[in-house]
Amino acid sequence: DQQVKQNSPSLSVQEGRISILNCDYTNSMFDYFLWYKKYPAEGPTFLISISSIKDKNEDGRFTVFLNKSAKHLSLHIVPSQPGDSAVYFCAASAWDNNNDMRFGAGTRLTVKP
Amino acid sequence: DAGVIQSPRHEVTEMGQEVTLRCKPISGHDYLFWYRQTMMRGLELLIYFNNNVPIDDSGMPEDRFSAKMPNASFSTLKIQPSEPRDSAVYFCASSLGLAGVQETQYFGPGTRLLVL
Repeated sequence: DQQVKQNSPSLSVQEGRISILNCDYTNSMFDYFLWYKKYPAEGPTFLISISSIKDKNEDGRFTVFLNKSAKHLSLHIVPSQPGDSAVYFCAASAWDNNNDMRFGAGTRLTVKP
Repeated sequence: DAGVIQSPRHEVTEMGQEVTLRCKPISGHDYLFWYRQTMMRGLELLIYFNNNVPIDDSGMPEDRFSAKMPNASFSTLKIQPSEPRDSAVYFCASSLGLAGVQETQYFGPGTRLLVL
């Protein structure tokens, strides 16, 4: 069952513009959310996270927004750079669920120069 | 620290053969995870260990898959016999713990498996 969904398999953005990657989840018990970035032939690397007690977390060009009522989170990258081109995975976990972290299928972001 | 180490990086084998994937977690991490990545399903958790003990193996697709962690610095994922549908990238990850910042998992580079 896909408890974490990234409905856009790909996204193309011009350099300097904002990239918005979306993620939806179905399990209301999830209370910790993460974004991972993955380059070809490498493992995913942690990018940014947010706890359910917050609705926004910012780290440089990256901001994650959480809307608990809609069970939706998004990752904003601004300004986008060509080096941001990668696959982005959304992940969620629940404190009560033995750290069973669920990942979305990923969104491939291409930032064009 | 060198990060999570996986071997081999690539494996090509014939259907019916045994495949063993290896992982060395980051020293001091108490949790080790095995994931499988496919185009259709993204990243799927197969099994994870806490202090070398398997905690949840509900993601293991079938009995052909088995995983062990004989000590804190080594784990294996074995597929026997392998089938073409097992072709995927297999990731190993490790983390310090369960909550908050400790939940951040650090991934290895993955093993790309192709079963012919």
